[in-house]
Amino acid sequence: DTGVSQDPRHKITKRGQNVTFRCDPISEHNRLYWYRQTLGQGPEFLTYFQNEAQLEKSRLLSDRFSAERPKGSFSTLEIQRTEQGDSAMYLCASLLIGTDTQYFGPGTRLTVL
Amino acid sequence: KNEVEQSPQNLTAQEGEFITINCSYSVGISALHWLQQHPGGGIVSLFMLSSGKKKHGRLIATINIQEKHSSLHITASHPRDSAVYICAVTSPLYSGGGADGLTFGKGTHLIIQP
Repeated sequence: DTGVSQDPRHKITKRGQNVTFRCDPISEHNRLYWYRQTLGQGPEFLTYFQNEAQLEKSRLLSDRFSAERPKGSFSTLEIQRTEQGDSAMYLCASLLIGTDTQYFGPGTRLTVL
Repeated sequence: KNEVEQSPQNLTAQEGEFITINCSYSVGISALHWLQQHPGGGIVSLFMLSSGKKKHGRLIATINIQEKHSSLHITASHPRDSAVYICAVTSPLYSGGGADGLTFGKGTHLIIQP
């Protein structure tokens, strides 16, 4: 257990539905990252926050995706109108500025039918 | 072409064998990370390197900055070492995640048979 938790661990949904995932980072960590990992590939960067500010978004993050970190603690990632191509593992990681190590959560595995 | 290349993609070995996984990258980096991912998804950081060599238990990681190459070695491999090993780099020349952003290789799927 790295101290980063994600909920839910698994989500099965039908195409067109909206889904929301939650990440709780290590409490004092000011940076929070979201990644997506498809089968057989390494993770790919989606977006990251420094405290409550979303500082960067990947071009992978279409307008159907939105992420928030309202109080600089937990974060949510919402996917609207899900598509089959959204099926992947969504990973969250946190980091304390000035240190080198990102701590990863267990991931949320999304399956879109 | 992936910016971070790992080889081999898959590796099956017998318990006790010496394992080497390689990682190469194409631009200057500030750090290289080796990560371990077990079935089910959780990723654990093993090493962060900017030069030289690091050792932790049976794991050894080396980096050659001039050749833009790193290796992860496992001595006296054991079935519990079976996992996906991922190389990742931080570089201002790769996009995504600010100064600490990670760009990942595809991973090496290692199976150690008893």
